[in-house]
Amino acid sequence: DSGVTQTPKHLITATGQRVTLRCSPRSGDLSVYWYQQSLDQGLQFLIQYYNGEERAKGNILERFSAQQFPDLHSELNLSSLELGDSALYFCASSVGRKETQYFGPGTRLLVL
Amino acid sequence: AQKVTQAQTEISVVEKEDVTLDCVYETRDTTYYLFWYKQPPSGELVFLIRRNSFDEQNEISGRYSWNFQKSTSSFNFTITASQVVDSAVYFCALSDYAGGTSYGKLTFGQGTILTVHP
Repeated sequence: DSGVTQTPKHLITATGQRVTLRCSPRSGDLSVYWYQQSLDQGLQFLIQYYNGEERAKGNILERFSAQQFPDLHSELNLSSLELGDSALYFCASSVGRKETQYFGPGTRLLVL
Repeated sequence: AQKVTQAQTEISVVEKEDVTLDCVYETRDTTYYLFWYKQPPSGELVFLIRRNSFDEQNEISGRYSWNFQKSTSSFNFTITASQVVDSAVYFCALSDYAGGTSYGKLTFGQGTILTVHP
């Protein structure tokens, strides 16, 4: 158990819908990262927050957004969902940018 | 741009065989970190090791060992006397800390599927 929690574990929804994925980092970790794992793209970095502020963006679609709250948990919002958004979404946390990232169990999203 | 290549897509071995997973990376930065993660069939990503770019010492942890060679930009992972429980997808990853914009994001290889047969 990495200490990073993600909810829900599984999510099935329809095209055009909007979902919110939630992540609670390990106690004491200030950095939260979001990654997407799909068969065709592999594991890709989406976005990073540090102590409530967005710090880095990767290949994140405009339909996707995220935030980190004062209690340091983070949410990834996916809207206007398409079939291609079906993937495993991971959250990772670390103390800071030089430290090891520990991953949550992931949220498996299926868009039908 | 950073890049990680794991040339072996799938490896199949019989229990007790030794197996080496290859990882080659590209980066322009002088300071960086290399990682190996394991993804068992249950799906979670489990951290195995982190290595700094300025520390080329090889490391051994039980049946696991890692060989970091800066001259060839490689960070290979060997499992000695493999076991069925080692069956998983293994990812090599690179993190850049020299640039302010990357802020520690990980660039992953495509992963190597390791199957250990009894």
